[in-house]
Amino acid sequence: AQTVTQSQPEMSVQEAETVTLSCTYDTSESDYYLFWYKQPPSRQMILVIRQEAYKQQNATENRFSVNFQKAAKSFSLKISDSQLGDAAMYFCAYQDSGGGADGLTFGKGTHLIIQP
Amino acid sequence: NAGVTQTPKFQVLKTGQSMTLQCAQDMNHEYMSWYRQDPGMGLRLIHYSVGAGITDQGEVPNGYNVSRSTTEDFPLRLLSAAPSQTSVYFCASSYFWKAYNSPLHFGNGTRLTVT
Repeated sequence: AQTVTQSQPEMSVQEAETVTLSCTYDTSESDYYLFWYKQPPSRQMILVIRQEAYKQQNATENRFSVNFQKAAKSFSLKISDSQLGDAAMYFCAYQDSGGGADGLTFGKGTHLIIQP
Repeated sequence: NAGVTQTPKFQVLKTGQSMTLQCAQDMNHEYMSWYRQDPGMGLRLIHYSVGAGITDQGEVPNGYNVSRSTTEDFPLRLLSAAPSQTSVYFCASSYFWKAYNSPLHFGNGTRLTVT
């Protein structure tokens, strides 16, 4: 079974600075999908960014970008120009690209604190 | 569009009671799923469905039943609640079960406490 590890239970950053959240995963598949989700105190799960494993180019969405290192099975999230609204739990998630319909495998999350 | 609607938002049960968590979506999504979120844990898949009449087990299915009689609804049943089922439950849906091309839409969750 695939596993997703987020080694930082909590991170703190000053507003306007850059922060990187770590994620590693274990899989024997060659193609798969990776995601970062944000969960603010409202509990809503919000997709931040996604990456397909066979695409070498790192995904970017505005202030959010990833560093995808396939050989190292690493998928870190960089948040630039941190804003107070970025404070939330962040979950890294994995999904096989094969035919199975089972869902996402999530990491345990990183609690991001933004210091004003 | 209402999106994915979960009811109730909060529920307290006594051990041994039964209840149904409701999930409805109005986006004509074929794929629906239930996750649970425990403190210090990510979300874990309980059950999922790829269409009306089709359901399957996820990572943590014990103690839960599901059915999918319509495209819109995917209720989760706890037959005999146990304290270990205290959790926040999320329903999620998408057009297709591969979330890369068909992003999951999550409900706002149901916080369940079993005493």
